[in-house]
Amino acid sequence: GESVGLHLPTLSVQEGDNSIINCAYSNSASDYFIWYKQESGKGPQFIIDIRSNMDKRQGQRVTVLLNKTVKHLSLQIAATQPGDSAVYFCAETSYDKVIFGPGTSLSVIP
Amino acid sequence: DVKVTQSSRYLVKRTGEKVFLECVQDMDHENMFWYRQDPGLGLRLIYFSYDVKMKEKGDIPEGYSVSREKKERFSLILESASTNQTSMYLCASSFNSRYNSPLHFGNGTRLTVT
Repeated sequence: GESVGLHLPTLSVQEGDNSIINCAYSNSASDYFIWYKQESGKGPQFIIDIRSNMDKRQGQRVTVLLNKTVKHLSLQIAATQPGDSAVYFCAETSYDKVIFGPGTSLSVIP
Repeated sequence: DVKVTQSSRYLVKRTGEKVFLECVQDMDHENMFWYRQDPGLGLRLIYFSYDVKMKEKGDIPEGYSVSREKKERFSLILESASTNQTSMYLCASSFNSRYNSPLHFGNGTRLTVT
């Protein structure tokens, strides 16, 4: 498949284990944060979001944690499956701008 | 589910050609965006639109223009294609004003300019 990025940080995880993908954001005024998943040959797909008045939000098998003190965002994937292999982007948004992180490539080892 | 459809998955054009990339969304979203995605540079915003016939420059508008004659359709135009415009182009739409809701992306158009 097509590569969406070269020299991306890579995380390799055994199938069934939990994955944690980290993201540092830059703007203390950012108030809305999103995680996207991009599979090879496809566009980014929305996974989960969180607003700045929350510290944690859970979805199906995914949890996003927000630490505003250190401007850090993480995505936790429970019981990682081969279909989770993809590039994961965080995005921080403020009123007039969205900034995408460089992405992390998750590789699931069967 | 929101569907954002880009008319071509792959395009090969020659230097100097005028190139049209088309994007259609089916959820009546107000906002539409064009990004390009390059290895090592991530996603960069070219142009966006908050309403019909309205457009605003993003971070890298040089060499591009856009058209939004209908709410569901947002076109990216390369007036005179150059080799440095070889890239993956991603169209996106969103519901709320500004950046308070997630972007919904198409599957991209990989453009090669020779």
